[in-house]
Amino acid sequence: KNQVEQSPQSLIILEGKNCTLQCNYTVSPFSNLRWYKQDTGRGPVSLTIMTFSENTKSNGRYTATLDADTKQSSLHITASQLSDSASYICVVTSRGNTGKLIFGQGTTLQVKP
Amino acid sequence: EAEVAQSPRYKITEKSQAVAFWCDPISGHATLYWYRQILGQGPELLVQFQDESVVDDSQLPKDRFSAERLKGVDSTLKIQPAELGDSAMYLCASSATSGSSNEQFFGPGTRLTVL
Repeated sequence: KNQVEQSPQSLIILEGKNCTLQCNYTVSPFSNLRWYKQDTGRGPVSLTIMTFSENTKSNGRYTATLDADTKQSSLHITASQLSDSASYICVVTSRGNTGKLIFGQGTTLQVKP
Repeated sequence: EAEVAQSPRYKITEKSQAVAFWCDPISGHATLYWYRQILGQGPELLVQFQDESVVDDSQLPKDRFSAERLKGVDSTLKIQPAELGDSAMYLCASSATSGSSNEQFFGPGTRLTVL
């Protein structure tokens, strides 16, 4: 069964600190993996996308890694800001015509001053 | 910058009533998706359109939910009658085409509360 599991479920850190979110998946055949940021009450916004051959991708203070062999990904946030408080969703796309997205349940991050 | 538009942003209704949500995708996007997101969970696909045709509605509760995209542009999702368990965020997304390489762009969502 195609699944995406994220950890931790929630996380609280102090402003300025770094953190790393984890994602494990069992989706096959694999096409790509995206990390989305979802602010409360808003739709998800894509942060990074990685295909099978890519093992790291950065977007400002966000750096995503992908290990296609172990089917694991991480999202590292550097020097966190209050505006980073949101849910972060790992999404894996299966290869094929419909491009179906398999969503993780998300990690809720709270950055405190 | 082009965005997916949804309305209303918030909807409160009583159970057994009918509700409808509207979505206007990014101009030129052929593929449109409706998702349901329960608080604390990831979105769940309800229905996918390619132009005006439904290509996947396997997770749509067809006894009470319906969706249409008559002219292949904007779309409406309807629930009749609403039940307490329908309380959730309803997200619309669009992509240029279907296929695994095409990014889906999400709208702001409609937050539904059923009392």
